[in-house]
Amino acid sequence: GAVVSQHPSRVICKSGTSVKIECRSLDFQATTMFWYRQFPKKSLMLMATSNEGSKATYEQGVEKDKFLINHASLTLSTLTVTSAHPEDSSFYICSAGHLNTGELFFGEGSRLTVL
Amino acid sequence: AQSVTQPDIHITVSEGASLELRCNYSYGATPYLFWYVQSPGQGLQLLLKYFSGDTLVQGIKGFEAEFKRSQSSFNLRKPSVHWSDAAEYFCAVGAGGTSYGKLTFGQGTILTVHP
Repeated sequence: GAVVSQHPSRVICKSGTSVKIECRSLDFQATTMFWYRQFPKKSLMLMATSNEGSKATYEQGVEKDKFLINHASLTLSTLTVTSAHPEDSSFYICSAGHLNTGELFFGEGSRLTVL
Repeated sequence: AQSVTQPDIHITVSEGASLELRCNYSYGATPYLFWYVQSPGQGLQLLLKYFSGDTLVQGIKGFEAEFKRSQSSFNLRKPSVHWSDAAEYFCAVGAGGTSYGKLTFGQGTILTVHP
């Protein structure tokens, strides 16, 4: 079946640094990818919609200068958390929409811990 | 705005017992409904989805769900639970069309299975 891979699966960084998380569709093309954030013991909240070759669309309340999203190809979207702070610590999950079928596939998630 | 409520935060059942996880949604038009399962520290796996047609939907791992428009519900069921079903379950609603990937998730229900 279709696979979406996220890297890194876990990352620990110091406050003030930037962290990049990759989301790759391994065996299919995805024009649209979605980034979610999951707080501990909470549900998933959509952060932004990433479209290949265009600017991402952010949900209300999500700082686009804080969470930079780039979707440079049909198989890769990246989320960069800039100037990370402890409150950015979370589980970030991406999903990718299959170009042909439209079906959504979720990545394994990336756990960010900011010290 | 669309919303999803999963009334039960935590459910415990014995292995072999039947299971029903509740999900109520709020959406102005015909919803796209999903059930996902998440193991600790992992991404999401799709169990089943409802777009249209037969209101009783069969999914993977022996799960099924029934869409009841009159009750705005999409409850997940399994006739006999296995220990490997222990995980967190999320119900989600989507708008379809160009917003198909923008899902709103419920708070999740943690399932514990006793031997």
